[in-house]
Amino acid sequence: GQNIDQPTEMTATEGAIVQINCTYQTSGFNGLFWYQQHAGEAPTFLSYNVLDGLEEKGRFSSFLSRSKGYSYLLLKELQMKDSASYLCAAFNQAGTALIFGKGTTLSVSS
Amino acid sequence: EAEVAQSPRYKITEKSQAVAFWCDPISGHATLYWYRQILGQGPELLVQFQDESVVDDSQLPKDRFSAERLKGVDSTLKIQPAELGDSAMYLCASSPRSGSSYEQYFGPGTRLTVT
Repeated sequence: GQNIDQPTEMTATEGAIVQINCTYQTSGFNGLFWYQQHAGEAPTFLSYNVLDGLEEKGRFSSFLSRSKGYSYLLLKELQMKDSASYLCAAFNQAGTALIFGKGTTLSVSS
Repeated sequence: EAEVAQSPRYKITEKSQAVAFWCDPISGHATLYWYRQILGQGPELLVQFQDESVVDDSQLPKDRFSAERLKGVDSTLKIQPAELGDSAMYLCASSPRSGSSYEQYFGPGTRLTVT
């Protein structure tokens, strides 16, 4: 079976750093995605990891450990506009469609 | 920048009525996905097309839902009859090909409310 777990909610203040964790159990592994979704809008792509290690992209970084079935999304220099839901997703067993976690709602306050 | 188009953006319907959603993927994208997202949850795959063929519809409630992509371009998702539990955001996504190397691009979604 496949299962993706991430915290339901997190809060942080402007300018801070926040780490959103994701653990996954999949039958086979074909890569892990992070998407950002603002309320009422479609998910937008943030990152894709297929190899172990840290991928940095501006204020956002994503880390993967395949042996631990673990990933995290690191957001630096938080801004109010970063308030959104962050979705962790891994490919299904066939390696075709994504299985999403329930999302972590991040609230950034001033 | 090319985008996935969906219509309508919002739909309110009474239970037992029929409803249809339309999706136009990014030009040239062979793979098209329909997801359902219930409030507070992540998207769940309903059906996946590769060109005009269904690749995966294992999670599609086939007694009431149907999907087609006749010419391998745009797609329609239909619900008949709608039930109260169908209230959700219906998201369409596309990618150049099926497989782990390809990012999925999402449309703005259709928010369905069944009363």
